[in-house]
Amino acid sequence: DAMVIQNPRYQVTQFGKPVTLSCSQTLNHNVMYWYQQKSSQAPKLLFHYYDKDFNNEADTPDNFQSRRPNTSFCFLDIRSPGLGDAAMYLCATSRSGWNTGELFFGEGSRLTVL
Amino acid sequence: KNQVEQSPQSLIILEGKNCTLQCNYTVSPFSNLRWYKQDTGRGPVSLTIMTFSENTKSNGRYTATLDADTKQSSLHITASQLSDSASYICVVSHQTGANNLFFGTGTRLTVIP
Repeated sequence: DAMVIQNPRYQVTQFGKPVTLSCSQTLNHNVMYWYQQKSSQAPKLLFHYYDKDFNNEADTPDNFQSRRPNTSFCFLDIRSPGLGDAAMYLCATSRSGWNTGELFFGEGSRLTVL
Repeated sequence: KNQVEQSPQSLIILEGKNCTLQCNYTVSPFSNLRWYKQDTGRGPVSLTIMTFSENTKSNGRYTATLDADTKQSSLHITASQLSDSASYICVVSHQTGANNLFFGTGTRLTVIP
């Protein structure tokens, strides 16, 4: 089945130790998003790619970076995770030009920072 | 300011009972509104979409309503099942594009036997 796949599902890291989360999609959607979701809160958009064009949200810390080497893959790099970065990270895709707002989410990667 | 507010924050109901979740928004100009279901530890999944001209839409036991004049939407769940236990998130799309989405904080529904 076409889907959005995130790896790893669970990631434990130490304070300050870099982490990379990956997302792949078989939907051939040209827009990919990274959201951060903390407990009992709404997902917060970190950035998104429209094809290769990177769009960073104004309040996304510099500690968060992203790469999209091709249509299918997108990575979230957290350079120096702090305790406050512990959260669920959700990758999502959507089809551009189709203004219905439907996002197709992956299962999420839960990050724990020790 | 574009905002989405959901109520109640949490809800506990008995299996088989009905319930209604509310979503109020101030997003303008409005494009559409989606309800997502998010199981614990999983990604959200779209349940239904409401556009400006639609008042009611059903998806199985889920029925969504939209009043674009009062900027309110509701999600009604009929004959609840244990598997309905989840967070339900209202997401409103701004007309400027599919990338301009405003999320509510969700309603946490627990269905008990």
